[in-house]
Amino acid sequence: KNQVEQSPQSLIILEGKNCTLQCNYTVSPFSNLRWYKQDTGRGPVSLTIMTFSENTKSNGRYTATLDADTKQSSLHITASQLSDSASYICVVSVNTPLVFGKGTRLSVIA
Amino acid sequence: NAGVTQTPKFRILKIGQSMTLQCTQDMNHNYMYWYRQDPGMGLKLIYYSVGAGITDKGEVPNGYNVSRSTTEDFPLRLELAAPSQTSVYFCASSYAEKGGYTFGSGTRLTVV
Repeated sequence: KNQVEQSPQSLIILEGKNCTLQCNYTVSPFSNLRWYKQDTGRGPVSLTIMTFSENTKSNGRYTATLDADTKQSSLHITASQLSDSASYICVVSVNTPLVFGKGTRLSVIA
Repeated sequence: NAGVTQTPKFRILKIGQSMTLQCTQDMNHNYMYWYRQDPGMGLKLIYYSVGAGITDKGEVPNGYNVSRSTTEDFPLRLELAAPSQTSVYFCASSYAEKGGYTFGSGTRLTVV
């Protein structure tokens, strides 16, 4: 069964600190992996999309890595800001439908 | 730029009532999707469309219907609302099947 598991479920960090969110998947065959940010009460917004041949991709303070051999991805947030407080969702694409993880809830506090 | 617009933002329905969730996009995307998001769960695909006149079932289509008469609009119909349909519904569109998705801001539906 195609699955996407994210850890941790939730995380609290101080403003200015870095953090890393994890994503493990069992989806096969694999097309691309995406990270989305979802603010409370809003729809998900795309951060990065990586194909199986890409190892890393950055979007400002967000850097996603992908290891297609171990089927793991991570999202690293540098110098966190209060506005980074949101859910971060890992999504794996095979064909329609996409397989969504449950997300990691990040809270950045002052 | 409007992107993907969903209406209404909130709705309370009684069991057995029907309603239509509206979704429109102004990006000329061929692909459109309806998802539901239950608390603590990943998004689940209800229906999708690869172009005007073409629709297909997703993972959880029971209790819902869709139509795609134009490229811009993709309404979702609930015929006999049930408490299990209490959820947040998101519409999304993309220029290609494997391309990035643009999501609407969601409709929070409660069935009582």
